[in-house]
Amino acid sequence: GQQLNQSPQSMFIQEGEDVSMNCTSSSIFNTWLWYKQDPGEGPVLLIALYKAGELTSNGRLTAQFGITRKDSFLNISASIPSDVGIYFCAGLTGANNLFFGTGTRLTVIP
Amino acid sequence: IAGITQAPTSQILAAGRRMTLRCTQDMRHNAMYWYRQDLGLGLRLIHYSNTAGTTGKGEVPDGYSVSRANTDDFPLTLASAVPSQTSVYFCASSDWNNNEQFFGPGTRLTVL
Repeated sequence: GQQLNQSPQSMFIQEGEDVSMNCTSSSIFNTWLWYKQDPGEGPVLLIALYKAGELTSNGRLTAQFGITRKDSFLNISASIPSDVGIYFCAGLTGANNLFFGTGTRLTVIP
Repeated sequence: IAGITQAPTSQILAAGRRMTLRCTQDMRHNAMYWYRQDLGLGLRLIHYSNTAGTTGKGEVPDGYSVSRANTDDFPLTLASAVPSQTSVYFCASSDWNNNEQFFGPGTRLTVL
């Protein structure tokens, strides 16, 4: 399957700090998606990106679809305790298959 | 609106037994998917269905089968469970023109 490298694997930050995580691939994707997963629950879609270069915001979250179509990043500004969770990037191929990164585990220290 | 429901929430199963995981969505989405999530490996696609009556193999289909008799239901069957199928299983659905997949709450399966 497709290999999506997501980094960092985990982060410990102070409440109020900004967070940045990214995802890279050796393959081109048509769509990038960012999900958040809370313990014991399914992933929840945060942001969808459909075009190379696209920059999209959702509240304190901002994500970009890389120009090469092989990478994407997610920024969270002014983190709060409820931002805790695992964040997954996912890339959608032309054949409509979705491949996930291995996740970034975020811990916010109050 | 419930979205996507999965049953059971969790199950412990003896190796060699047959097991069906149920998934139902009420969003009238065309496409449905089954993933397994293992520590350090993220989510991997097992099988998918783009529309009722059709199914396809994902990244890790071996040992699993699916059916899609109608739009709402997409059961996943393990014909003869093995310990390596211990995992958390997520069902998802999406609209045909959207590609944004919505996930169920998951089924935690342990095969002994």
